[in-house]
Amino acid sequence: NAGVTQTPKFQVLKTGQSMTLQCAQDMNHNSMYWYRQDPGMGLRLIYYSASEGTTDKGEVPNGYNVSRLNKREFSLRLESAAPSQTSVYFCASSYGTGGTYEQYFGPGTRLTVT
Amino acid sequence: SQQGEEDPQALSIQEGENATMNCSYKTSINNLQWYRQNSGRGLVHLILIRSNEREKHSGRLRVTLDTSKKSSSLLITASRAADTASYFCATGSDRGSTLGRLYFGRGTQLTVWP
Repeated sequence: NAGVTQTPKFQVLKTGQSMTLQCAQDMNHNSMYWYRQDPGMGLRLIYYSASEGTTDKGEVPNGYNVSRLNKREFSLRLESAAPSQTSVYFCASSYGTGGTYEQYFGPGTRLTVT
Repeated sequence: SQQGEEDPQALSIQEGENATMNCSYKTSINNLQWYRQNSGRGLVHLILIRSNEREKHSGRLRVTLDTSKKSSSLLITASRAADTASYFCATGSDRGSTLGRLYFGRGTQLTVWP
């Protein structure tokens, strides 16, 4: 069991470039999440998918798009990267909606936008 | 804000001592969770306590919840150097606009000296 995997681990982008962060889980979980973590800010929810085929905005969705490709995979896309998107990005999954169930986190992607 | 707020922001103790971290929140919840994050890693779930529970134990961890004061505490007994990490509380609700979400605080950085 790999749990939640994320690729890449590190990425450096120039302002205006685009990229997709990949996330996959092998726990047959229904719900998946994307967070960003900035120093002193805790974790902030970008987007989440309560179940396959649905996605919803979180607290900080501007500048991001997501795709729930299937039950296992949930990707996060930055169409035109900005320095304000420099952060550590975490994907997480849970059996049900996060308010009730524990979430399992991936190792994170450290993104720097110059 | 629906975020939990941990207190203190940083805690430094010797091995063998107990560590107590507190979390306060502002809105109605149906559960509260505690997570640990080692440096450079993803979050790991420690314990979930439901709104109708007052205390829960897991190994050296003891969590209390006081819904009338909207606060929770995490006690780690007989701390070890390996407990050095950031600890986050997260509140969950299955109502209305917060459906499906967990709200994380900014964390307490615990350092345990050998």
